[in-house]
Amino acid sequence: AQKVTQAQTEISVVEKEDVTLDCVYETRDTTYYLFWYKQPPSGELVFLIRRNSFDEQNEISGRYSWNFQKSTSSFNFTITASQVVDSAVYFCALSEARDSSYKLIFGSGTRLLVRP
Amino acid sequence: DAGVTQSPTHLIKTRGQQVTLRCSPKSGHDTVSWYQQALGQGPQFIFQYYEEEERQRGNFPDRFSGHQFPNYSSELNVNALLLGDSALYLCASSLGTAMNTEAFFGQGTRLTVV
Repeated sequence: AQKVTQAQTEISVVEKEDVTLDCVYETRDTTYYLFWYKQPPSGELVFLIRRNSFDEQNEISGRYSWNFQKSTSSFNFTITASQVVDSAVYFCALSEARDSSYKLIFGSGTRLLVRP
Repeated sequence: DAGVTQSPTHLIKTRGQQVTLRCSPKSGHDTVSWYQQALGQGPQFIFQYYEEEERQRGNFPDRFSGHQFPNYSSELNVNALLLGDSALYLCASSLGTAMNTEAFFGQGTRLTVV
């Protein structure tokens, strides 16, 4: 069965520290997509990145970077020089396609608190 | 360009009642998916609508039903409410049903069942 595990329930760091959020997934599909979303207190899920199963290149976007390793079924997210505005719940998600439709399977999320 | 809008933002209902939640997709999007997010948990997929038909359904009882209108907006109906239905209900819209399409989420409807 498809599954996403985010073992870190909550992480607390001091501003300007680097922090890595872990994500491990399980799937039998050979083609799939992985996502990261940010959920601020307002509740809306904000899209951060999408990565397909055939592209293992790491990606960097400003202070954000992602490390995708199929060998360990992991898709970890690193924030460099964290800021208070990064405080939120972060979700890793896996797409599952069935009959030309798809759904997102989310992990349980990691709450990040960045202290000034 | 308006994003995904949901109404109402908050709702309090009594056990056994019925509730209807509404979602307007992002302009240009034709697919709507609904998710339930219990407190402290990740969102759980309820169902997806495309071309006014339910295309895929998650592990939710028949008390959960939906509809998509010709203008692509959607409703989620929950009958015979239980205390356990208390959650944040999120609507996501996308263009098409391909798995690589980006889903845009609304701010959700916070449902409290008492």
